[in-house]
Amino acid sequence: KQEVTQIPAALSVPEGENLVLNCSFTDSAIYNLQWFRQDPGKGLTSLLLIQSSQREQTSGRLNASLDKSSGRSTLYIAASQPGDSATYLCAVKLAGPGNQFYFGTGTSLTVIP
Amino acid sequence: DGGITQSPKYLFRKEGQNVTLSCEQNLNHDAMYWYRQDPGQGLRLIYYSQIVNDFQKGDIAEGYSVSREKKESFPLTVTSAQKNPTAFYLCASSLLDRGTYSNQPQHFGDGTRLSIL
Repeated sequence: KQEVTQIPAALSVPEGENLVLNCSFTDSAIYNLQWFRQDPGKGLTSLLLIQSSQREQTSGRLNASLDKSSGRSTLYIAASQPGDSATYLCAVKLAGPGNQFYFGTGTSLTVIP
Repeated sequence: DGGITQSPKYLFRKEGQNVTLSCEQNLNHDAMYWYRQDPGQGLRLIYYSQIVNDFQKGDIAEGYSVSREKKESFPLTVTSAQKNPTAFYLCASSLLDRGTYSNQPQHFGDGTRLSIL
């Protein structure tokens, strides 16, 4: 069974700082990996999706990388802002039949003005 | 606007009662999912459905039931057999991985928070 881990569980940074969130997974036979943002009491908003054949994806101040062989992904946030405060989750989809996604426990980010 | 609508936003269940959570999508997505989210834990899959009239159990299906009579709708019933139903329930949908639609992201509703009275 796929296990997805996110470290750290919580992170506080001053505004303007660059930061990296980590996601690791045990089964490297993945189809894709998706990063989400969740605000308190809300659903998940998709940020970036990386296909298994890709190394990274970028959207604005966000950059996600994928190293399938080592079972790791990082989400890089440049020039952090207070509005970036949220919980960030990663999810992996295994290759093969079925359409199941496996989620990490998330990293709670606080950007201090 | 296209999206996923979950209702109600808050729901209370009495002992021995079944309750049904609604999930509707107008994204024309084939696949729909139900997840449960507890504090300090990641999302755990309850059920998913790839086509109408078909659904598969996820990791924590016991005490739950679903139906998929229409493509747009995937209601979740929390039965009295689910002894610890208090959680945040999230519905999601995606295009089905059929090669052509491969690597499509999941889209989520805003969730239903279920509590026990």
